[in-house]
Amino acid sequence: EDKVVQSPLSLVVHEGDTVTLNCSYEVTNFRSLLWYKQEKKAPTFLFMLTSSGIEKKSGRLSSILDKKELFSILNITATQTGDSAVYLCAPMYNNNDMRFGAGTRLTVKP
Amino acid sequence: NAGVMQNPRHLVRRRGQEARLRCSPMKGHSHVYWYRQLPEEGLKFMVYLQKENIIDESGMPKERFSAEFPKEGPSILRIQQVVRGDSAAYFCASSPRLLAGGSEQYFGPGTRLTVT
Repeated sequence: EDKVVQSPLSLVVHEGDTVTLNCSYEVTNFRSLLWYKQEKKAPTFLFMLTSSGIEKKSGRLSSILDKKELFSILNITATQTGDSAVYLCAPMYNNNDMRFGAGTRLTVKP
Repeated sequence: NAGVMQNPRHLVRRRGQEARLRCSPMKGHSHVYWYRQLPEEGLKFMVYLQKENIIDESGMPKERFSAEFPKEGPSILRIQQVVRGDSAAYFCASSPRLLAGGSEQYFGPGTRLTVT
């Protein structure tokens, strides 16, 4: 059965801290993995990862995929209160099927 | 407690037909959201409903699309006179409280609509 597990489920840090969010998956015919940030109603796309070992960066956020061990991490450095959100990972498989993890709720305190 | 359920998982319609997508939220959840994912794109918000009420439909196309969440039964996303451009994955999510208030949200497995 297809499965996506994110950890931790919630995390509280202070501004300036660095956080690492984890996503492990088991899906058939894996194609790529997507990370989203969700604050209010719609998730905001962050990264799409298709190849192992290639880090993608966007400002203070970076992410990497390990297709052998079936996981991905999302790093946020020098966190700010505006980073507070739920971070979702979703492997894409078969023909554009996606399965969402439960998300990690990040709270960044001033 | 079963997760968010969507059916059918795959739906094929010919141009001009109607598509009905169903979403049963998690038990105890009264807030339902519909999203569309076009091929190779991210999720796009469509509509947010609470029982019997449409709260925010700012992401819904103005024509042919409608949504409801009746007092009893699943939420329905209805697409009339489908066109090829409607082919996409449609995801439903539910939450027990307002997202803006910090509530968690859970996604269903999606319905893949193919218009031929």
